[in-house]
Amino acid sequence: DGGITQSPKYLFRKEGQNVTLSCEQNLNHDAMYWYRQDPGQGLRLIYYSQIVNDFQKGDIAEGYSVSREKKESFPLTVTSAQKNPTAFYLCASSSRSKSNEKLFFGSGTQLSVL
Amino acid sequence: GDSVTQMEGPVTLSEEAFLTINCTYTATGYPSLFWYVQYPGEGLQLLLKATKADDKGSNKGFEATYRKETTSFHLEKGSVQVSDSAVYFCALSDRDTNAGKSTFGDGTTLTVKP
Repeated sequence: DGGITQSPKYLFRKEGQNVTLSCEQNLNHDAMYWYRQDPGQGLRLIYYSQIVNDFQKGDIAEGYSVSREKKESFPLTVTSAQKNPTAFYLCASSSRSKSNEKLFFGSGTQLSVL
Repeated sequence: GDSVTQMEGPVTLSEEAFLTINCTYTATGYPSLFWYVQYPGEGLQLLLKATKADDKGSNKGFEATYRKETTSFHLEKGSVQVSDSAVYFCALSDRDTNAGKSTFGDGTTLTVKP
């Protein structure tokens, strides 16, 4: 079955450490996105990519970095510069970047600080 | 800028009760409107969408009508089930923006009791 796979499901970060969240899709989608979800709040866009080797900052990019070397993969690195990283992180994709395209989501990664 | 305001939760209903979750929006253009559902520990799934005024989106007994005059997209279901317990997000995507740059509401938690 096609879909988006995020790993790990749970991740713990020590102070000063960088951690990388994996996102892989086999839907052949061009566009991929990373969101952050805090309790009781909506989703906030961190980064997005519309094509391989290209990505743009979203609304809350500070303290995060991404790469898009392959169409299927869009990993997110939470750097030590992100002072409040505890959140639920969601990866999504869409077949095109048009406004009426639905988003397909992974099952998320819960990141916590030790 | 664009914004989405959802009815505050949590909402608790008995099985077979009627459900309404209010959603109003502010947008400069002619947005596409979406309802997503999130089950515990999972990512979001598209429930329904509408792309122009007076369109009705429907799926699994849920319905929502795009009302341009009242800038609303309220979610309704005639008879809820325990399995409908989840968090529901209203979202909009402006015509001139990327699908992933959707604006999400804060979510409404629905609990259905047997």
